[in-house]
Amino acid sequence: DGGITQSPKYLFRKEGQNVTLSCEQNLNHDAMYWYRQDPGQGLRLIYYSQIVNDFQKGDIAEGYSVSREKKESFPLTVTSAQKNPTAFYLCASSTRLAGADNEQFFGPGTRLTVL
Amino acid sequence: KNQVEQSPQSLIILEGKNCTLQCNYTVSPFSNLRWYKQDTGRGPVSLTIMTFSENTKSNGRYTATLDADTKQSSLHITASQLSDSASYICVVSGTAALIFGKGTTLSVSS
Repeated sequence: DGGITQSPKYLFRKEGQNVTLSCEQNLNHDAMYWYRQDPGQGLRLIYYSQIVNDFQKGDIAEGYSVSREKKESFPLTVTSAQKNPTAFYLCASSTRLAGADNEQFFGPGTRLTVL
Repeated sequence: KNQVEQSPQSLIILEGKNCTLQCNYTVSPFSNLRWYKQDTGRGPVSLTIMTFSENTKSNGRYTATLDADTKQSSLHITASQLSDSASYICVVSGTAALIFGKGTTLSVSS
C-alpha cells in the first residue's frame, strides 16, 4: 500500500517532556510537511522540507524541531518549550514543494495530549 | 493579506438533502483551489482541484464551482448520506504556499 503513515495515533505527554511524532511515506515524494490543527482553526504549518537534509520553519515553528535524514521520514519533536502542545498533528507530502498543480497527501494524524 | 474564509462554520442537514458550502478567498496570485474532506480524527482527503480557467468540476455527488472574478468557490453535495458527515476544508494555492480555510463542519442526520 502506498501512502503516509503516522505513529502513534494517540500520544500523552507530561509537562516538561519532549516527544517525537513519526511520519513515514512510501510515495517517493520529495516534499514533506507538518501541520498543527486546533478546534475551530485552519491547519497551521509548523515545518516543511523540500529535500533530504533540508527543512524550513513554517508559521508556528517555535517549540518544535524536525529532521530529514531520509527521503521517506520526517519526524517531528515537540519540545518542552512548546507551551500549548495539545493538538492534532498532521503530516503531509507532495511530489515537490506545494504550489501550482501540486497535491498534498495527508497522513491519518497524531493526537497529542499534555497531562 | 492572503485569507480563505469559509461559511457556514457548521451545518446540519437531513439525509438525502442537498447542501452548498462556500469559500471566499483573497489569495494573490492564485494558482488553484482544492476542497478536502476530513473525517473526524483523520487526515484530509482531496475531493476536487480547480485551476483559474475551470468553472465546475464534479466528483460523484460533489460538485465544486469557481468564480475567479469574484474569488468565490462553492462545494455542492447532492443527495447527502450519513457518511458525508465531516469537515470540508477549502485550500487555495498561491505560488509557493497553501492557505487553509477553517473548514465547515457538516452533520448529516437520519
